[in-house]
Amino acid sequence: ENVLTQSPGPLSLSPGDTATLSCRASQSVNTHLAWYQQKLRQAPRLLIYAASSRAPGIPDRFSGSGSGTDFTLTISRLEPEDSAVYYCQQYGSSPQSFGQGTKLEIK
Amino acid sequence: QVQLVESGGGLVKPGGSLRLSCVVSGFSFRDFHMSWIRQAPGKGLEWVSYISAGSLNIDYADSVKGRFAISRDNAKSSLFLEMNSLRPEDTAVYYCAKGWETQFDFWGQGVMVTVSS
Repeated sequence: ENVLTQSPGPLSLSPGDTATLSCRASQSVNTHLAWYQQKLRQAPRLLIYAASSRAPGIPDRFSGSGSGTDFTLTISRLEPEDSAVYYCQQYGSSPQSFGQGTKLEIK
Repeated sequence: QVQLVESGGGLVKPGGSLRLSCVVSGFSFRDFHMSWIRQAPGKGLEWVSYISAGSLNIDYADSVKGRFAISRDNAKSSLFLEMNSLRPEDTAVYYCAKGWETQFDFWGQGVMVTVSS
C-alpha cells in the first residue's frame, strides 16, 4: 500500500500569512494526487486534483505543486475561514489512500 | 446542482447489519464510478469500497472484505452499502463520493453508523 505522510503537525498561523502543507508518498504516484479541505462537522471538499489543478470554485489563493513522491499545498493570504483539516489523497496506485491530515488553525 | 444524500445509518449492536443508501442528483450517475469512504470519530479518511459505472468491477478495503457489499441502481441514481457482521471499529461517518481511480469531486454530507452494545 502506498502510504501518504503529511507534515507539519498542527499548524497555527495568522490571517494574511501563507501556509505550506506537505504530503509525501512512499511510492511514486506521478501527479495523481488530490487535496481536500474538511471543516468541522462537514464533508471533505475537493481543492486540488492532478497535483496542481484547482477544482471549480476554489479561490486562486490555493495552489498545489509536486510530482512523484513529494507534493505541496500552498494557501496564500490566509483567512479565518481557512481553519480546517487538509488531507491529501493518491490515486496513482491501488488501493487509493489518504494522508493522516494536517490541522490548520487561523487565529 | 450536484447532490449526494446518504441515509440508513444508526445504532446497531456488534454482529448486526445495516444498509446505507445514497441518492444522487445533478450528474449522470450511470456514467461514473462511485465509492464509499468512512471516517471514525476524530480520525482520518478511509476508503471502504468502490463500484464501477456498470457494476462490473467492485473492490473493498481489506478491513471490510467479506462483510460489506456495495451495489447500485442506475435507474434510480442510487448507491448502496450492505454492512454485515458489524464491529465496534466500523463506527464512523460514512460518505458516498463520486469517483474511483481519480479524485473524489463530490461527496455526500455523511451518515453516522455506531456499533455498540
